[in-house]
Amino acid sequence: GDSVTQMEGPVTLSEEACLTINCTYTATGYPSLFWYVQYPGEGLQLLLKATKADDKGSNKGFEATYRKETTSFHLEKGSVQVSDSAVYFCALSGGNFNKFYFGSGTKLNVKP
Amino acid sequence: NAGVTQTPKFQVLKTGQSMTLQCAQDMNHNSMYWYRQDPGMGLRLIYYSASEGTTDKGEVPNGYNVSRLNKREFSLRLESAAPSQTSVYFCASRTGTGSYGYTFGSGTRLTVV
Repeated sequence: GDSVTQMEGPVTLSEEACLTINCTYTATGYPSLFWYVQYPGEGLQLLLKATKADDKGSNKGFEATYRKETTSFHLEKGSVQVSDSAVYFCALSGGNFNKFYFGSGTKLNVKP
Repeated sequence: NAGVTQTPKFQVLKTGQSMTLQCAQDMNHNSMYWYRQDPGMGLRLIYYSASEGTTDKGEVPNGYNVSRLNKREFSLRLESAAPSQTSVYFCASRTGTGSYGYTFGSGTRLTVV
């Protein structure tokens, strides 16, 4: 069945460091891929998405490219800020349109 | 503001008590969902409603019931709460299929003692 695997955290970085959070997926057909962010005490917010191969989603300095050949959707940011500290979830919407498949989440801590 | 509203935000129950978590969305979305979030477990789907009048089980439905009251509202009921149901519960909604993302509520933090 469909599934998402993302790197375990926590990830601790200094401010202005580069970020990569790995996400790989297993799916039949042509899924849509998403990154969600959850700040402490809040619900999940859509950060970016890509709906077909080679699409690049971007928002707030974050980017992720839909790579069908490697079944990956890695989240990247060139220079992180303390305010980026949160939990990041990779997700997939596949053949069963009523369901999403979430990764287990990666906690990012950014130190000043 | 448009979005998904959950009530209550916090709740403490004694084992065996019942309660209903409320969720309402004002975006005219067709599908609504209930998830629970536990440390180290990510998000797990409890129940969902693809459209008004339909509900289906998700990954972890035992101990819960749901009602899709109308297009806006989707409630989650715990008939006899157990400590294993201590969790943060999120309601979500979306329109369409595939490429459309979820909109999440801010969550209900439930503790069963």
